[in-house]
Amino acid sequence: KNQVEQSPQSLIILEGKNCTLQCNYTVSPFSNLRWYKQDTGRGPVSLTIMTFSENTKSNGRYTATLDADTKQSSLHITASQLSDSASYICVVSLSGYSTLTFGKGTMLLVSP
Amino acid sequence: DAGVIQSPRHEVTEMGQEVTLRCKPISGHDYLFWYRQTMMRGLELLIYFNNNVPIDDSGMPEDRFSAKMPNASFSTLKIQPSEPRDSAVYFCASSLGPGGGTQYFGPGTRLLVL
Repeated sequence: KNQVEQSPQSLIILEGKNCTLQCNYTVSPFSNLRWYKQDTGRGPVSLTIMTFSENTKSNGRYTATLDADTKQSSLHITASQLSDSASYICVVSLSGYSTLTFGKGTMLLVSP
Repeated sequence: DAGVIQSPRHEVTEMGQEVTLRCKPISGHDYLFWYRQTMMRGLELLIYFNNNVPIDDSGMPEDRFSAKMPNASFSTLKIQPSEPRDSAVYFCASSLGPGGGTQYFGPGTRLLVL
């Protein structure tokens, strides 16, 4: 069964600190992996998309890495801000399909 | 573009009533997706359309759920009759192209069935 597991479930960090969120997946065949940010009360917004051949992609203070061999991805947030408080969802796309497999997300709280 | 538009934003209804959720995708997008999100199960795909045609409805929980896309700029998700376990946030998303494209989500409809 195709699955996406995220850890930790929740995380609290102090403003200005860095953090790393983890995503492990069993989806096969693999097309691409995305990280979404979902603010409370809003729909998810795409942060990064990586294909099988990419192993790192940045979007401002967000850097995603991908190891397709071990089927692991991470999202690193640098110099966190209060506005980074949100749920971060790892999503994997099957090759040749339009459906996505979602992780349950990591809830991040950045504390002042 | 205004992004994906959903209405209503909030809906409170009583068990047994019919509920209709509405979605206007981003103009030009050829894929439309309906999702349900709960704390327990996260985001779940219910159904998706390509060029107004339903492609995969295997995620629709039961016959009480139905979805239509009469044209490229409008889709509905209907629940009849509604039950308390249907309470969730329902998202509509659209994309240009299949799975490799970015899906743009609407703000969601928060449904509470009493």
